[in-house]
Amino acid sequence: TQLLEQSPQFLSIQEGENLTVYCNSSSVFSSLQWYRQEPGEGPVLLVTVVTGGEVKKLKRLTFQFGDARKDSSLHITAAQPGDTGLYLCAGGIRTSYDKVIFGPGTSLSVIP
Amino acid sequence: DTEVTQTPKHLVMGMTNKKSLKCEQHMGHRAMYWYKQKAKKPPELMFVYSYEKLSINESVPSRFSPECPNSSLLNLHLHALQPEDSALYLCASSPLSSQMNYNEQFFGPGTRLTVL
Repeated sequence: TQLLEQSPQFLSIQEGENLTVYCNSSSVFSSLQWYRQEPGEGPVLLVTVVTGGEVKKLKRLTFQFGDARKDSSLHITAAQPGDTGLYLCAGGIRTSYDKVIFGPGTSLSVIP
Repeated sequence: DTEVTQTPKHLVMGMTNKKSLKCEQHMGHRAMYWYKQKAKKPPELMFVYSYEKLSINESVPSRFSPECPNSSLLNLHLHALQPEDSALYLCASSPLSSQMNYNEQFFGPGTRLTVL
């Protein structure tokens, strides 16, 4: 059974601070997605990483896929209140459909 | 069009009511999904449709009945629900492209369901 863990579970920081969220597993994934979800809304896909060691940047967000494709990190520079939300990592598994396993999520609150 | 739409946005129903949730995508995706999500928890997979056929049912109670009328539409029919079924119900779609192994799913905004 593939499982994803995320840490920290909750994070409350001041505007302007930096933070890193971690997504870890003992399983290898064919891809890994990061989603951000605001209360009462659906998850929004931020990025997909597919190659071990891959780094992608999206403005103030930096995503890294571990060399062994078992873990990933999301780093936010100079956090803003608009970054507040639930961050979900999801590992892709090759099967008959586009199966993903979700981590439990990291709830981020950025205080102005 | 890169959007998944869901209606209604909010739904309140009694335990004896029958209602339906609707989902639509026009991205040409061949897989569509229903998820249930409780507050501050990740989405839980309920059903998967691949090429308009039900391929996965994650042991969901029969009071939830999915339907895929065509490749763009997905419905979830609700009957005799329980208060513990109150949750955010999310629809998603994905390409099912054999040339890519990205497993990307695109979510709709969800329907907030309250069962009284």
